[in-house]
Amino acid sequence: DTGVSQNPRHKITKRGQNVTFRCDPISEHNRLYWYRQTLGQGPEFLTYFQNEAQLEKSRLLSDRFSAERPKGSFSTLEIQRTEQGDSAMYLCASSPRTNEKLFFGSGTQLSVL
Amino acid sequence: DAKTTQPPSMDCAEGRAANLPCNHSTISGNEYVYWYRQIHSQGPQYIIHGLKNNETNEMASLIITEDRKSSTLILPHATLRDTAVYYCIVRNYGGSQGNLIFGKGTKLSVKP
Repeated sequence: DTGVSQNPRHKITKRGQNVTFRCDPISEHNRLYWYRQTLGQGPEFLTYFQNEAQLEKSRLLSDRFSAERPKGSFSTLEIQRTEQGDSAMYLCASSPRTNEKLFFGSGTQLSVL
Repeated sequence: DAKTTQPPSMDCAEGRAANLPCNHSTISGNEYVYWYRQIHSQGPQYIIHGLKNNETNEMASLIITEDRKSSTLILPHATLRDTAVYYCIVRNYGGSQGNLIFGKGTKLSVKP
């Protein structure tokens, strides 16, 4: 059973650069979620997809953030014009159907210098 | 905002039961109690969930009070590998909202 896979595990970038993260959910899970976590805090919800449809976006997801799930399988999260405040762990999770338990990946740690 | 209150930290001796409390006094009738844990440098891991009856699985037991305003997660024989942050979350079951709202959780330290 392959779990949720996230790439890269670590990303270091300079302020103002664009970055893109990828998430591969557990196969046949139709729901996919993105969360952000900063040091000492619990994960914060960003957005989720049911298949290819983006159903909910948090107010944390500013204009510089965009997420896609083009074929209802893998998803990408892009941050444009990164800022130091974007430094965080970005977590992806998937679930088989509405309100079932979520399976999380190990996250992508972003550091903006 | 999280709808739950948890102590920020707890210690437990290896081999003993770890009892992690959670207060959710504003829980509504269609909200479940979920527990997740997060081991350092990993994503959160589902542990257990329940509505009003006590639940048990291979990882833990969940005891929910009769008025559902609080619950306790029990790890019956804690090991060093159970050292983690434990999150108690209340969540609608069957609603359109798909996300979990995490608080800061309880940092459990299991000591030899």
